[in-house]
Amino acid sequence: EDKVVQSPLSLVVHEGDTVTLNCSYEVTNFRSLLWYKQEKKAPTFLFMLTSSGIEKKSGRLSSILDKKELSSILNITATQTGDSAIYLCAPRQGGSEKLVFGKGTKLTVNP
Amino acid sequence: NAGVMQNPRHLVRRRGQEARLRCSPMKGHSHVYWYRQLPEEGLKFMVYLQKENIIDESGMPKERFSAEFPKEGPSILRIQQVVRGDSAAYFCASSLLTSGNIQYFGAGTRLSVL
Repeated sequence: EDKVVQSPLSLVVHEGDTVTLNCSYEVTNFRSLLWYKQEKKAPTFLFMLTSSGIEKKSGRLSSILDKKELSSILNITATQTGDSAIYLCAPRQGGSEKLVFGKGTKLTVNP
Repeated sequence: NAGVMQNPRHLVRRRGQEARLRCSPMKGHSHVYWYRQLPEEGLKFMVYLQKENIIDESGMPKERFSAEFPKEGPSILRIQQVVRGDSAAYFCASSLLTSGNIQYFGAGTRLSVL
């Protein structure tokens, strides 16, 4: 059965801290891995990773995939209160194109 | 360029009624996905549709649930004879298959069954 485990489930930090969110997966016919940020409404797309070892970067956020270890990390540097959200990791299966979601990591950034 | 539009945002139904959830994909997108999020759970895939075709419905419950994406108009997720366990947030996503198939999500419909 396909499985995605994110850790930690919950994290509370202060503004300016750096955080690392983890995602491990077991998915048949793996095609790529996507990260989303979910606040109170729609999950918004952050990154899509297809190749191992190549870092994707957007501002203070970065992410990398390790296909050998079946894992990915999402880093956020110099956190801000606006980074408070649930971060979702979702490997994509080839063929069906479906995303398999973990439960997410709830990040709270306090001023 | 409007994003994925879902309506209604909130829907309240009594047990035994029907629920219809609508999803208009992003302009130019012809692939639609429905996901369900139960309380304290991650999003779970339900169904993947292209215009007039169901491609993968492996996540759909066998009874009472159906989905369509007609040639004209929004995609519809239909739940007949709702039960309390159907209470959840239902999210729709759309994609362009040619762009790495990034799925863009709507804000969801929160269904409450009384």
